[in-house]
Amino acid sequence: DTAVSQTPKYLVTQMGNDKSIKCEQNLGHDTMYWYKQDSKKFLKIMFSYNNKELIINETVPNRFSPKSPDKAHLNLHINSLELGDSAVYFCASSLQGGTGPHGYTFGSGTRLTVV
Amino acid sequence: AQTVTQSQPEMSVQEAETVTLSCTYDTSESDYYLFWYKQPPSRQMILVIRQEAYKQQNATENRFSVNFQKAAKSFSLKISDSQLGDAAMYFCAYSANSGYALNFGKGTSLLVTP
Repeated sequence: DTAVSQTPKYLVTQMGNDKSIKCEQNLGHDTMYWYKQDSKKFLKIMFSYNNKELIINETVPNRFSPKSPDKAHLNLHINSLELGDSAVYFCASSLQGGTGPHGYTFGSGTRLTVV
Repeated sequence: AQTVTQSQPEMSVQEAETVTLSCTYDTSESDYYLFWYKQPPSRQMILVIRQEAYKQQNATENRFSVNFQKAAKSFSLKISDSQLGDAAMYFCAYSANSGYALNFGKGTSLLVTP
């Protein structure tokens, strides 16, 4: 059973396109996140949602828009893709904002390549 | 803002030996959580160990243990009896009690040699 699943695992697209990455968790967690891992492996928070409400919205271009239809899903939509958006995007979830006994659980990542 | 610093971009250890990865952090909070995550080449983020700041006892998980020094804001990871499968990128991370976010260090790449 996959705890946090995100699709697709790989995404290659042209500049200017619009794309979405989907994320679902079956852990009963109340908080979900999107992280971006750049080419130097640095991981940075983009968004966090608690019970479908936006809690954290870091300095991210408006072209990135998260959508949480329910507590178990957090999707990431990206408009007008740019070369600099190429990265690995991780979805994660947690209980009680990360203070639960298992911390944060991550999906396997989506490698986005913009050409 | 909380910052996490990993001063060792790369470390190397021989199989069966012990290695310690360093991590320091900066915070004005008194209640927080610290984590070590492992990222092998498969890129999956795997929780290695977790420490609550209010607990004085250092966390241990089998061959992995931490040295948590709250006053010094230091949180090092010790890997005993290193195995080839331990080779990975290791990230130290911080989460405030009410933070709803995990702040990562830049990572330490661990190489395990036979």
